[in-house]
Amino acid sequence: EADIYQTPRYLVIGTGKKITLECSQTMGHDKMYWYQQDPGMELHLIHYSYGVNSTEKGDLSSESTVSRIRTEHFPLTLESARPSHTSQYLCASSGSEYNEQFFGPGTRLTVL
Amino acid sequence: GQNIDQPTEMTATEGAIVQINCTYQTSGFNGLFWYQQHAGEAPTFLSYNVLDGLEEKGRFSSFLSRSKGYSYLLLKELQMKDSASYLCAVLDSNYQLIWGAGTKLIIKP
Repeated sequence: EADIYQTPRYLVIGTGKKITLECSQTMGHDKMYWYQQDPGMELHLIHYSYGVNSTEKGDLSSESTVSRIRTEHFPLTLESARPSHTSQYLCASSGSEYNEQFFGPGTRLTVL
Repeated sequence: GQNIDQPTEMTATEGAIVQINCTYQTSGFNGLFWYQQHAGEAPTFLSYNVLDGLEEKGRFSSFLSRSKGYSYLLLKELQMKDSASYLCAVLDSNYQLIWGAGTKLIIKP
């Protein structure tokens, strides 16, 4: 069973606030990903990591940053939230590119 | 550019069979994934094809033709719980996963 966790599950905050979305996995996977997905729309890759101290930006331009200090932990930070950041954020991990990605339950973010 | 095409929405009847098509144009190919996503939930893995042919897994089967840039997901004996979006994703030559927009499948009694 996949063990990947995200907190918080839901978050409502005001414009200009700094927030960190947490993602942890206990499967020892090297590869981790952050996606943004609006309702009924496709997944957009915003950041990924192939291991500790490795982070890359994805296809979707994002004002967020990530860090990968430990294998199991891949937090995403928004320095100054805006209403345009309102979306669902999904974290995923995989053992390799050829393996399926396991997704966390997601964080639904609303910025007022 | 890279492109994955799937129908936006399909409707089928409980107990019937439905085929969801996916065509792709990507820079290289290292495999094709199908995921299921129920509304408001995260995607879950269904299948992975890297060689041509049909892979069967219970009520679900996935087919791949690399020469045609084409795949389909076949769902048999449809159940109401199969109502979901089905996402096609291709692993390109840089080992990046390119996602389709998904096909929303509506099952009617």
